[in-house]
Amino acid sequence: NAGVMQNPRHLVRRRGQEARLRCSPMKGHSHVYWYRQLPEEGLKFMVYLQKENIIDESGMPKERFSAEFPKEGPSILRIQQVVRGDSAAYFCASSPGGATGELFFGEGSRLTVL
Amino acid sequence: GENVEQHPSTLSVQEGDSAVIKCTYSDSASNYFPWYKQELGKGPQLIIDIRSNVGEKKDQRIAVTLNKTAKHFSLHITETQPEDSAVYFCAASLYNNNDMRFGAGTRLTVKP
Repeated sequence: NAGVMQNPRHLVRRRGQEARLRCSPMKGHSHVYWYRQLPEEGLKFMVYLQKENIIDESGMPKERFSAEFPKEGPSILRIQQVVRGDSAAYFCASSPGGATGELFFGEGSRLTVL
Repeated sequence: GENVEQHPSTLSVQEGDSAVIKCTYSDSASNYFPWYKQELGKGPQLIIDIRSNVGEKKDQRIAVTLNKTAKHFSLHITETQPEDSAVYFCAASLYNNNDMRFGAGTRLTVKP
């Protein structure tokens, strides 16, 4: 049973470019969460999605950042016009339900903005 | 919203010794407290969790204690081994996974 799959694992972008990070949840999981991790810091919640719906985007910057989880295909975190401060590891997690319980994390996508 | 603080930020112990990591939370209504282990280059993985209806939970060499009155909970690792070296995160949550908030992490190093 494959775990949470994230790609790319590493992404380098120049300032002003767009970054797209993809996440396929574990089989049978319909709840997806995105977190940002800065060096030597904890995981900061960004957005929570179910299929075709954004449930909670309270942790996501209002500008330049967007997320989707279409009916078919992976969840995508999109960062437009990247800046150096966007450099971080972005983790996706999935769960079978929304109530508190284990989150299954992917290995992360590490974005470097030059 | 919930705020979780974690101490220490780094911890170094000799192999075989015990390690203790402590967390405090701000929202007295929080009722779910997981601990995650993150190895280098990997995603976090759940190692143990506790709900507010119990005060202690143990799984082999790891245990978690919860003091609801003081709003703090701790991770205890006994007989540490080099493979325990990792970053450990505590978290607290109320109803749903999307309101879960993580501590800043503790980098544990176990010296052989």
